[in-house]
Amino acid sequence: DIVMTQSPLSLPVTPGEPASISCRSSQSLLHSNGNNFLDWYLQKSGQSPQLLIYMGSNRASGVPDRFSGSGSGTDFTLRISRVEAEDVGVYYCMQTLQTPHTFGQGTKLEIK
Amino acid sequence: EVQLVESGGGLVQPGGTLRLSCAVSGFSVSSNYMSWVRQAPGKGLEWVSVIFISGSTYYADFAKGRFTISRDNSKNTLYLEMNSLRAEDTAMYYCLRGAPAGQWGQGTLVTVSS
Repeated sequence: DIVMTQSPLSLPVTPGEPASISCRSSQSLLHSNGNNFLDWYLQKSGQSPQLLIYMGSNRASGVPDRFSGSGSGTDFTLRISRVEAEDVGVYYCMQTLQTPHTFGQGTKLEIK
Repeated sequence: EVQLVESGGGLVQPGGTLRLSCAVSGFSVSSNYMSWVRQAPGKGLEWVSVIFISGSTYYADFAKGRFTISRDNSKNTLYLEMNSLRAEDTAMYYCLRGAPAGQWGQGTLVTVSS
């Protein structure tokens, strides 16, 4: 199974400041078609997760452009250019290259 | 409007059976890969199963032999049949439309307890 490791697990951020979350996979997520099968989700308190980024770097519909995803192979990063209060929640990376699909442990972003 | 609405959760005794449903609207359940993901109270997300467009199905190790994912194209509904339930299966169960849409239902709570 592909193991997904996120860091940090807790991320206190001052509003207006940038933030980044790392996600590393135990195997490459780069498919022969050139896509990285890595998605980022945000789960706000009491809500279902929502897709932020798919295929490593593609912003999902309706996601603010302050969110960006980068990386390839085994190392990926989610960046928030300027954190807002509404960005609080738990961020998860998920690989869908191989079954079983697997999630990272989650990174809890909180406002300082 | 796209909607995924889960149902079928509830309280069940250890060893019991439940069938979860995910009624879909706004897209065809057969034209997307669809998954079930669960979340135990206070814990992270855990993938359970997937059914691909081809109809191929795959399961997490804990689900193999106990859970069955299926879909009814005429009802545009995804299912998860869960047998031999254990206390550790207690969780919120979500259905998920695969990326790039990446849409989730609101979840249905399964509690396994005597």
